[in-house]
Amino acid sequence: GAGVSQSPSNKVTEKGKDVELRCDPISGHTALYWYRQSLGQGLEFLIYFQGNSAPDKSGLPSDRFSAERTGGSVSTLTIQRTQQEDSAVYLCASQGLGDNEQFFGPGTRLTVL
Amino acid sequence: SQKIEQNSEALNIQEGKTATLTCNYTNYSPAYLQWYRQDPGRGPVFLLLIRENEKEKRKERLKVTFDTTLKQSLFHITASQPADSATYLCALGRSGTYKYIFGTGTRLKVLA
Repeated sequence: GAGVSQSPSNKVTEKGKDVELRCDPISGHTALYWYRQSLGQGLEFLIYFQGNSAPDKSGLPSDRFSAERTGGSVSTLTIQRTQQEDSAVYLCASQGLGDNEQFFGPGTRLTVL
Repeated sequence: SQKIEQNSEALNIQEGKTATLTCNYTNYSPAYLQWYRQDPGRGPVFLLLIRENEKEKRKERLKVTFDTTLKQSLFHITASQPADSATYLCALGRSGTYKYIFGTGTRLKVLA
């Protein structure tokens, strides 16, 4: 079946604007992760959703960042009042229950001017 | 603090040779270690997982070793091909936790 999809693939925005990034996980996968990847850096954990449990938001860098997962499927990562340091690739990954393998989407490249 | 180190320098090797990439970690006791491949503009793709009680894992031309005493994993690609050129990431995980710690990756270039 289809893999993880993310939209948009690229987003250029002006400093101070809000952006929404979308992730469609693999159908049936209960776990969903958001990561941020900056140039020369490892994947930085942002947030984790598992089924109907409360998400682990411990990786969100500031209160400008928030995420939702509706109906246990699609997830949206929202960044309010974007700053230039938010520029990075935002990756989403989903994982089946009991699996250790994550399936990543292609990412959204965010550029804040 | 927990730290993973991968060789940040790019690795260039000749086609047909064996590529060896290193992943070292400190202040962490992983239950398993994963290797992913990432091509430019794409998300990482899972390759192999090795558990703490396994010394070696193979899959086709890939071989991974895991030494919990040295706190190191080696990732080998035998008979390397230009198509193997990519960035390779290691990631550590623990039982009972869903969080992974990723390294920064090593860029491999296989020269024809």
